[in-house]
Amino acid sequence: DADVTQTPRNRITKTGKRIMLECSQTKGHDRMYWYRQDPGLGLRLIYYSFDVKDINKGEISDGYSVSRQAQAKFSLSLESAIPNQTALYFCATSAVGQLNTEAFFGQGTRLTVV
Amino acid sequence: AQKVTQAQTEISVVEKEDVTLDCVYETRDTTYYLFWYKQPPSGELVFLIRRNSFDEQNEISGRYSWNFQKSTSSFNFTITASQVVDSAVYFCALSESSGSARQLTFGSGTQLTVLP
Repeated sequence: DADVTQTPRNRITKTGKRIMLECSQTKGHDRMYWYRQDPGLGLRLIYYSFDVKDINKGEISDGYSVSRQAQAKFSLSLESAIPNQTALYFCATSAVGQLNTEAFFGQGTRLTVV
Repeated sequence: AQKVTQAQTEISVVEKEDVTLDCVYETRDTTYYLFWYKQPPSGELVFLIRRNSFDEQNEISGRYSWNFQKSTSSFNFTITASQVVDSAVYFCALSESSGSARQLTFGSGTQLTVLP
């Protein structure tokens, strides 16, 4: 089983619908992140969380919200999806207390908004 | 603010050729970390290497090698004797130690195609 699991893996939704992408991890990491990947733009940070009580906006948080339900779970919501939110979304985790360990990524969720 | 530039959008080589992927970064921190990730066609992101700003030694791992030069703010990645399985998008990323999030800032990626 993957250490960082994202559900669903693929989703097609209509404009204006609310959608939630879920992420769970078994690595025991405190830090969790949501990134968005668009062709030619690399990955851009949407939100990040240091622990259950800590949520922070990233570079492109408008139109998104998150919830850190537990240390192992971090969900991303699109309250009213729009077509330019069509992208590949990644959840990631990293350890705290160590000097910049690498981030571990989920397998991605491909979201299409029509 | 930190920035990572991968000027090569796409590279095509024939199998067994060597290929170098360029990465140039910008940061005001004296302590920072550089990473390379591989994204094969299946879409997942695979961690390849981490390098801190105080360690300028080159690293070699099998057919992969990395050249870190602080003087030119570059962290280039070379694949020797490329193989078709090396075909992927490769991302360079930077993390500053002073950043409270320690989030990664990614370059836009280089699509490498290795032709048989």
